[in-house]
Amino acid sequence: QSALTQPASVSGSPGQSITISCTGTSSDVGSYNLVSWYQQHPGKAPKLMIYEGSKRPSGVSNRFSGSKSGNTASLTISGLQAEDEADYYCCSYAGSSTNWVFGGGTKLTVL
Amino acid sequence: EVQLVESGGGLVQPGGSLRLSCAASGFTVSSNYMSWVRQAPGKGLEWVSVIYSGGSTYYADSVKGRFTISRDNSKNTLYLQMNSLRAEDTAVYYCARVLGGATGRFQHWGQGTLVTVSS
Repeated sequence: QSALTQPASVSGSPGQSITISCTGTSSDVGSYNLVSWYQQHPGKAPKLMIYEGSKRPSGVSNRFSGSKSGNTASLTISGLQAEDEADYYCCSYAGSSTNWVFGGGTKLTVL
Repeated sequence: EVQLVESGGGLVQPGGSLRLSCAASGFTVSSNYMSWVRQAPGKGLEWVSVIYSGGSTYYADSVKGRFTISRDNSKNTLYLQMNSLRAEDTAVYYCARVLGGATGRFQHWGQGTLVTVSS
């Protein structure tokens, strides 16, 4: 099972909005509304930001939102803040034989 | 408060073995789906293994036949026994609590433990 495809890097200025894409196949992203997104600061453990495509765990800012179209899921961060600078990973359920597959990660730089 | 604390990482020679532990607090390991996810230095996340609350276990193809996930209910602890280790197994290993069942998400994470496979 290949990893999901994410852009290596994205950037934006404070207050702007950015979107990170996550492209899979009809065997993972396209088949299930089960994409999750994780934020990881350097040297820290990942943190769940979005699950089941668009749901936010308690405590996660509503500046973070998720969506999906076909085989591509997206994470949008609005009103960019300096603390949003981190690596972001998407993850999709990929069936009972593969379970989960992650994207390669996207480094977000807040200019 | 949910807390996961991994231990057991270190330097091991190729072909060697290591057992990782993940002590949980704030919830019962045996009532939850628990998973291991790893991250090679400078690389992305890779799912490794999961154990269901019912005891079923599943593995990524890259570790199948070499790694074994298990738990000790009396100690509320998750384990990962790693045998026949290879250089490509070098990574930070995270344990994670999975919510939402077999198709769920990695809701809580430990701080990770580093495994280095090198001669």
